[in-house]
Amino acid sequence: AQSVTQLGSHVSVSEGALVLLRCNYSSSVPPYLFWYVQYPNQGLQLLLKYTTGATLVKGINGFEAEFKKSETSFHLTKPSAHMSDAAEYFCAVVNSGGYQKVTFGTGTKLQVIP
Amino acid sequence: DAEITQSPRHKITETGRQVTLACHQTWNHNNMFWYRQDLGHGLRLIHYSYGVHDTNKGEVSDGYSVSRSNTEDLPLTLESAASSQTSVYFCASSFSGNQETQYFGPGTRLLVL
Repeated sequence: AQSVTQLGSHVSVSEGALVLLRCNYSSSVPPYLFWYVQYPNQGLQLLLKYTTGATLVKGINGFEAEFKKSETSFHLTKPSAHMSDAAEYFCAVVNSGGYQKVTFGTGTKLQVIP
Repeated sequence: DAEITQSPRHKITETGRQVTLACHQTWNHNNMFWYRQDLGHGLRLIHYSYGVHDTNKGEVSDGYSVSRSNTEDLPLTLESAASSQTSVYFCASSFSGNQETQYFGPGTRLLVL
């Protein structure tokens, strides 16, 4: 079984401030982890993903996430928020073994205040 | 460029009517998925397919059906539309393998009156 929890359905940051979106997962086997972003009236698109190897993963638009097995976390960060980062962000997990379906979190809506 | 499209983008229908939402991808992906997105629930999987003639139920499949007759298309049918099926529907596709990225369509906004 697998599950994912995103803490905070809404997060507000000032432009130029650190962005931190939290994601914790539960998985019985080594997981694959994803962050997707959804801009208004659009489908989701991949920001970054962790499969194997380096635990710090860099994605598009200056975002990065670190896989921490001991904390079962995959938090998304960006050093300096930009107005264009305002969107909804989804964390997702899938077990690495067998034929598995992706489980999405409930999403975190990021507001960037000028 | 490869893409994934959905039609219609907006649909209004009445309770009890049959509705079909189209999804077409040109990525040549084996895997295709249908999700619904509702406030507070994130994305919930309706049906999915791992290849031609393969279909599987997701976590919220009641009242929905799919068929996969070719690689490119996975139409979603609401057999008898209900107000509870008012939602935004997303189609996605990916290559085989759990580590593969899903590519999403732009969504269909469905209102059942």
